Amino acid sequence: EDQVTQSPEALRLQEGESSSLNCSYTVSGLRGLFWYRQDPGKGPEFLFTLYSAGEEKEKERLKATLTKKESFLHITAPKPEDSATYLCAVQARQGAQKLVFGQGTRLTINP
Amino acid sequence: SQTIHQWPATLVQPVGSPLSLECTVEGTSNPNLYWYRQAAGRGLQLLFYSVGIGQISSEVPQNLSASRPQDRQFILSSKKLLLSDSGFYLCAWSPASGFYNEQFFGPGTRLTVL
Repeated sequence: EDQVTQSPEALRLQEGESSSLNCSYTVSGLRGLFWYRQDPGKGPEFLFTLYSAGEEKEKERLKATLTKKESFLHITAPKPEDSATYLCAVQARQGAQKLVFGQGTRLTINP
Repeated sequence: SQTIHQWPATLVQPVGSPLSLECTVEGTSNPNLYWYRQAAGRGLQLLFYSVGIGQISSEVPQNLSASRPQDRQFILSSKKLLLSDSGFYLCAWSPASGFYNEQFFGPGTRLTVL
């Protein structure tokens, strides 16, 4: 069974304090890994797709990386507006219409 | 550009009452459509997905059902709500022709069953 585990569950940082969120996955053949941002009471917002090990994607203060077993979302010099829950999801080669989501990491950036 | 709508935004219903949530997508044709439920502080649980009109796949046995009467319309229903049906319901779409299943989400419906 395909599984996604995100850690930590919650992370509190000071403004400007860089850190990383982890997404570990087990899947029977990975087609793609996706990162989303979700603000309270809103639907998830698509951030990145990663296709193969070694790939990196960047958007403002966020950089996502992918290995054969996990993905990291690096946050550099975060600002309070980066506070949100970050969700990771995988798409397997089998059953490719579906995504399997992790539980998310709730990130809080204090000013 | 594509837009996804959900309504209502919030709903409070008594136990045993019926439910109908609607999702529509604009700006694309023949999308894949999805219904998810998110419990407080939890991840997303896939309920149903559809690859075309009248084609519904159910992921979790429950008292909910889904229908797709039109290409860009997806409806989530129940004949009798349970307390456990409370949650945040999200509709999503993805391009049918896409090799990678990037899904794009609507604003969600907050359902409280009392």
